[in-house]
Amino acid sequence: DGGITQSPKYLFRKEGQNVTLSCEQNLNHDAMYWYRQDPGQGLRLIYYSQIVNDFQKGDIAEGYSVSREKKESFPLTVTSAQKNPTAFYLCASSFQGGNQPQHFGDGTRLSIL
Amino acid sequence: AQSVTQLGSHVSVSEGALVLLRCNYSSSVPPYLFWYVQYPNQGLQLLLKYTSAATLVKGINGFEAEFKKSETSFHLTKPSAHMSDAAEYFCAVSDRRAAGNKLTFGGGTRVLVKP
Repeated sequence: DGGITQSPKYLFRKEGQNVTLSCEQNLNHDAMYWYRQDPGQGLRLIYYSQIVNDFQKGDIAEGYSVSREKKESFPLTVTSAQKNPTAFYLCASSFQGGNQPQHFGDGTRLSIL
Repeated sequence: AQSVTQLGSHVSVSEGALVLLRCNYSSSVPPYLFWYVQYPNQGLQLLLKYTSAATLVKGINGFEAEFKKSETSFHLTKPSAHMSDAAEYFCAVSDRRAAGNKLTFGGGTRVLVKP
């Protein structure tokens, strides 16, 4: 079955560490997205990519980095510069076009030790 | 910039009663509109979308939504709530004038279904 796979489901980070969240899709989607979800705040866009080797900052990109070397993969690195990284992170993908819905993975919950 | 307002962060309904979740957008040009549902510790699942065809849109699990341009609204309804409808619901918009399909989400409405 086609879908979006995020791993790991739970991740713990020590102070000063960088961590990378994985997102893989086999839906042949061109565009991929990373969101951060905090309780009661809905979803906020971190980064998005519409094609391979290109990506743009979203609304809250500070302290995060991404790469898009393959169509299927869009890993997110939470750097030590992100001072409040504890959150639920969701990856999504879609075909191009504003009328195309985004499909979501099951998320990674990141916590600080 | 687009914005989306979901009135009521929590809604409590009795099983079998009407579910009504409100969503209003701010845009001079009607955007593309989506409703998603999220169960605990899971991703979002698309319920339905409005992309300028019929204004009454039917989705999965018995949900439907009506686009009203004059009210800049896209409220979600279900005639009879089921226990399995307990979840968080998000309204989202995509600016049809923009390249790509970035979504702007509302803050979400958590639905509690009482037996």
